[in-house]
Amino acid sequence: DVKVTQSSRYLVKRTGEKVFLECVQDMDHENMFWYRQDPGLGLRLIYFSYDVKMKEKGDIPEGYSVSREKKERFSLILESASTNQTSMYLCASSLFFSRTGLGNTEAFFGQGTRLTVV
Amino acid sequence: AQSVTQLGSHVSVSEGALVLLRCNYSSSVPPYLFWYVQYPNQGLQLLLKYTSAATLVKGINGFEAEFKKSETSFHLTKPSAHMRDAAEYFCAVRGRGSQGNLIFGKGTKLSVKP
Repeated sequence: DVKVTQSSRYLVKRTGEKVFLECVQDMDHENMFWYRQDPGLGLRLIYFSYDVKMKEKGDIPEGYSVSREKKERFSLILESASTNQTSMYLCASSLFFSRTGLGNTEAFFGQGTRLTVV
Repeated sequence: AQSVTQLGSHVSVSEGALVLLRCNYSSSVPPYLFWYVQYPNQGLQLLLKYTSAATLVKGINGFEAEFKKSETSFHLTKPSAHMRDAAEYFCAVRGRGSQGNLIFGKGTKLSVKP
């Protein structure tokens, strides 16, 4: 069974703290993504990575950074947490398009991390 | 640029009634379309995806969606709603480029009344 695992389901952090959200996948996927989910706004892409040490900014990268040192692990870093970063964070992975030749390759999601910054 | 629009942020139906969740897409190339479901405090689970092999796509839990190019739509339906279908549903389109990030609609929350 395919699996994307996020290290925490719930986190509470203080303003100004450096926060690490970890995500691991066991499907040998090239692509990994971090999304942020807020009520009424749907899912918005923060960053994605299509290879080890490669990263691309998504729609809302400000205040975030990422790290991908190993193929199976993709970390989201909040350099200095702020209250407006309180949200649900979702990690996902998928095969690289060119490997499958199919544009309908879906993304697999983790359970999400609900982060509260106080 | 690709995008999807989900019409209606909330839909309420009675148990046993037809479920219809609307999704319209915008794409300058043949789109790759997906429907996901999210149960409370869970991640997203794939319901179905459009493969271009057939315009009517069957998914899990009795859901299906029909791709209509002339209407740029990919609406999700289920003939008879069940209480367990209460969840949030997201339509998504694949973004351009080979990296394959999905672009999501804002979601539709489905309530099912007994």
